[in-house]
Amino acid sequence: KAGVTQTPRYLIKTRGQQVTLSCSPISGHRSVSWYQQTPGQGLQFLFEYFSETQRNKGNFPGRFSGRQFSNSRSEMNVSTLELGDSALYLCASSPGQINSPLHFGNGTRLTVT
Amino acid sequence: ELKVEQNPLFLSMQEGKNYTIYCNYSTTSDRLYWYRQDPGKSLESLFVLLSNGAVKQEGRLMASLDTKARLSTLHITAAVHDLSATYFCAVDVSQGAQKLVFGQGTRLTINP
Repeated sequence: KAGVTQTPRYLIKTRGQQVTLSCSPISGHRSVSWYQQTPGQGLQFLFEYFSETQRNKGNFPGRFSGRQFSNSRSEMNVSTLELGDSALYLCASSPGQINSPLHFGNGTRLTVT
Repeated sequence: ELKVEQNPLFLSMQEGKNYTIYCNYSTTSDRLYWYRQDPGKSLESLFVLLSNGAVKQEGRLMASLDTKARLSTLHITAAVHDLSATYFCAVDVSQGAQKLVFGQGTRLTINP
């Protein structure tokens, strides 16, 4: 069974630009979550989607948004990039049932210059 | 605001020794997860602990959960070099809706 796939793996953007990251969950998984990982703040929850509906949102500014498509694939968008947005963005999928562990992808490393 | 605190944050140990990583959290939850992350890699699920008193074991790793004390432990028995990694605990704060709050991580180095 294929794992969680994130594209692209690496991205370099300039301040003020916007970026879209993509995540394909494990087949059959209906929940997709996004996390930001930085050396200073660690792993922080961004948002979670289940069957195209956002169920939870973390404490990030509105520049961070996401969506989920009917095939459970998800995208995350960051507008007006800031230097502090440089991070590893991890996507995770699960069947969406209580007690299911998250299965993480390899992440997208975003560098903002 | 929920806080999840791990200690120690850094641990260097010799092969063959035993040690424990502690994970304290500040709010009620009966779902706790342990993950492993190798350098440059993603997170790998190790254990899902779902109730007070839960104990799970896999190889040289054993995890337990005490919801009353809001404490989970990850015990390493007779450590081997391959267990060198960063270990994270995470607490579900959404009653199963997949929102996890992670600890800072414990970077474990096991020396031959």
